[in-house]
Amino acid sequence: GEDVEQSLFLSVREGDSSVINCTYTDSSSTYLYWYKQEPGAGLQLLTYIFSNMDMKQDQRLTVLLNKKDKHLSLRIADTQTGDSAIYFCAEPPYSSASKIIFGSGTRLSIRP
Amino acid sequence: DTGVSQNPRHKITKRGQNVTFRCDPISEHNRLYWYRQTLGQGPEFLTYFQNEAQLEKSRLLSDRFSAERPKGSFSTLEIQRTEQGDSAMYLCASSARLAQKGPDTQYFGPGTRLTVL
Repeated sequence: GEDVEQSLFLSVREGDSSVINCTYTDSSSTYLYWYKQEPGAGLQLLTYIFSNMDMKQDQRLTVLLNKKDKHLSLRIADTQTGDSAIYFCAEPPYSSASKIIFGSGTRLSIRP
Repeated sequence: DTGVSQNPRHKITKRGQNVTFRCDPISEHNRLYWYRQTLGQGPEFLTYFQNEAQLEKSRLLSDRFSAERPKGSFSTLEIQRTEQGDSAMYLCASSARLAQKGPDTQYFGPGTRLTVL
């Protein structure tokens, strides 16, 4: 079946790195996504990784993909208070040309 | 603002009433999606349009739900005989399949929060 799983909460100290983990089931997805949702705001695409890559870096964001274990992670370096949000891992399943399957989201909170 | 817009932002209704939401996609986008998000969950796919054609519907979209995109631009989502279980955030997204490398990125609107009393 199509399923994406994430831990629900993560708390880190300001300035530390945050690592948000995700596991997925559809190994034929071409891309995997990370979306960010801030309170009262819509979903924003943060970054994506092509399934034939194992790492992608974009400024403070690093995405790691382990296809063998179907594990995706998002690392945020030097976490700031503005990074407080819910982060969703997502994949477009092979069975559909349109929809995206989202995880339940990881709420990232920043401690001073 | 050229992003995806949704109206209304909030809707409170009594059980049994009908409600209609509107989504205006990014103007050059030919694909439009509806999702539903309940508290503590990620968005769940409801339906998808390419231009005016509704090409995919989720099993979540019961007979009380209907979506249209008559001219291939804005879309409406109607819920008839609302139930308390329909209370959720309804999200709209749009995308454009261009000749490009990279994914068919879906851009989301701010959502319509529905509360059924």
